[in-house]
Amino acid sequence: NAGVTQTPKFQVLKTGQSMTLQCAQDMNHEYMSWYRQDPGMGLRLIHYSVGAGITDQGEVPNGYNVSRSTTEDFPLRLLSAAPSQTSVYFCASHQDYGNTIYFGEGSWLTVV
Amino acid sequence: AQSVTQLDSQVPVFEEAPVELRCNYSSSVSVYLFWYVQYPNQGLQLLLKYLSGSTLVESINGFEAEFNKSQTSFHLRKPSVHISDTAEYFCAVSRANFGNEKLTFGTGTRLTIIP
Repeated sequence: NAGVTQTPKFQVLKTGQSMTLQCAQDMNHEYMSWYRQDPGMGLRLIHYSVGAGITDQGEVPNGYNVSRSTTEDFPLRLLSAAPSQTSVYFCASHQDYGNTIYFGEGSWLTVV
Repeated sequence: AQSVTQLDSQVPVFEEAPVELRCNYSSSVSVYLFWYVQYPNQGLQLLLKYLSGSTLVESINGFEAEFNKSQTSFHLRKPSVHISDTAEYFCAVSRANFGNEKLTFGTGTRLTIIP
């Protein structure tokens, strides 16, 4: 049972480069989200999706793009990386109101 | 909008001593409350949650938290900690009955167990 799988686990980017963080879940969950975790700031919601074809912005969406073409996948795109996007990124999924959110193991991104 | 305050960024505790990690929230509507734990270099895992009913909720590894509506708190407690409890703990809140796609997290409390 894979749960939520994120790739890559580690990535170094140069300022201005673009990249995609992949996220896949095998639990048939409707809801998927992307968070970033920074020291002393907890987790902040970047974008979320309530089902295939439906996405919305979270607390810190600028500089990121998402799409949800299937229930299983929810990739996060960095359009033009900036040092301020150096962070740990977590993908998460859950099924319904009040249900447990399942997190991936994280992707460590450094922008130089 | 909801907000969460975790008053302590770091809590050192001797092994087998009791611990309390504090969490206060702010919301104008009913809420769901959660505690998540993050072990080093791992993702977050749900520790326990309050949705409705009994205000005291327990986890399988001995932690408990009590929802106190009048004090808007959801403190996490354990009567006797172990080395394996070393981790970062996050309190989180969402609006009740709106789903938790907009979970709001506190800034975390790093629990360090001293042998």
